[in-house]
Amino acid sequence: AQSVTQLDSQVPVFEEAPVELRCNYSSSVSVYLFWYVQYPNQGLQLLLKYLSGSTLVKGINGFEAEFNKSQTSFHLRKPSVHISDTAEYFCAVSRSGNTPLVFGKGTRLSVIA
Amino acid sequence: EPEVTQTPSHQVTQMGQEVILRCVPISNHLYFYWYRQILGQKVEFLVSFYNNEISEKSEIFDDQFSVERPDGSNFTLKIRSTKLEDSAMYFCASTRLNSNQPQHFGDGTRLSIL
Repeated sequence: AQSVTQLDSQVPVFEEAPVELRCNYSSSVSVYLFWYVQYPNQGLQLLLKYLSGSTLVKGINGFEAEFNKSQTSFHLRKPSVHISDTAEYFCAVSRSGNTPLVFGKGTRLSVIA
Repeated sequence: EPEVTQTPSHQVTQMGQEVILRCVPISNHLYFYWYRQILGQKVEFLVSFYNNEISEKSEIFDDQFSVERPDGSNFTLKIRSTKLEDSAMYFCASTRLNSNQPQHFGDGTRLSIL
């Protein structure tokens, strides 16, 4: 079975500052890794995904994440955040294509002007 | 860009009543999913559906739940006799039959059981 741990439930950060949202996973098999974002009163939108290949993955809205197999981590980063990045961010894993996603508890990013 | 659409956005139901949540997946997608998110908790998988049958289900998906694809476009989740603890946001998702394709989510239905 897979599990995902998001170490920070809330992350406040000032506008234009860098941010890192942490995600660690546990699995006995290779997994696909994802970050989803949820804006207020909206569904889950895919930010980026890691399937294989380069460990640095770039996504939408200037976000990127790095897969670290030895650390079993997939931390999300952005060098300069905007007010509009305020949202809930979910890390998720799946065993393979079409299999169910296992989500972390989410990290609420609050960007302060 | 095509979207997964869910109706209604908010459903209020008396405990013990049946409720049907509706989803229209993206048209060329073949795998469909239901997830739920109880307030303040993580998003949890309920069930996946492919080729007109359940592909996988979690331990949450007990006998009070059922899914159906009644026609070529809709995908429904039925809860037969609702309980207070069924109050949650329910998300529908769909994906193509391809191992590299991510799941696309709808905006969710907030189910409130009174």
